[in-house]
Amino acid sequence: DGGITQSPKYLFRKEGQNVTLSCEQNLNHDAMYWYRQDPGQGLRLIYYSQIVNDFQKGDIAEGYSVSREKKESFPLTVTSAQKNPTAFYLCASKGQGGTYNSPLHFGNGTRLTVT
Amino acid sequence: AQSVTQLDSQVPVFEEAPVELRCNYSSSVSVYLFWYVQYPNQGLQLLLKYLSGSTLVKGINGFEAEFNKSQTSFHLRKPSVHISDTAEYFCAVNPHRDGNKLVFGAGTILRVKS
Repeated sequence: DGGITQSPKYLFRKEGQNVTLSCEQNLNHDAMYWYRQDPGQGLRLIYYSQIVNDFQKGDIAEGYSVSREKKESFPLTVTSAQKNPTAFYLCASKGQGGTYNSPLHFGNGTRLTVT
Repeated sequence: AQSVTQLDSQVPVFEEAPVELRCNYSSSVSVYLFWYVQYPNQGLQLLLKYLSGSTLVKGINGFEAEFNKSQTSFHLRKPSVHISDTAEYFCAVNPHRDGNKLVFGAGTILRVKS
């Protein structure tokens, strides 16, 4: 079955450490997205990529970095510069070149806890 | 810029009762509208979407939503809920000309009680 795989499901890190969240899709989708979810705030866009080797900042990109070396993969690094990294992180993709009326397909998320 | 307001953070309802989850949006341009559902510790799944045409849209699991342009609303309804409908529901809007500007509401937690 096609889908989006995020790993790990739970991640624990000490403050000051960088951490990378994995996102892999086998839907052959061009566009991929990273969202952050906090209770009562909905989803906020961190970064997105419409094609390989290109990505754009979303609304809350500070303290995060991404790469898109392969169509299938869009890893997110949470750096030590992110002031409040504890959150639920969701990866998503969209077919048809990310057109405006295509729905997003989501992975099952990674819950990151930084202490 | 677009914004989405989900008027209720939590909606408790008894099993087999009807439910309405309210969503209002603000936008200076035409938008597409979506409802997503999220079960605990999972990603979001698409329930339904309004792109054009009939303002009453039917989705999965017996849900439907009505687009009201004059009131800028897109309320979600189900005539009879089940325990399994307990989840968080998100309304989202996307402007017609930018597929990467999807804006989500804060979510409404639907709690179905037996």
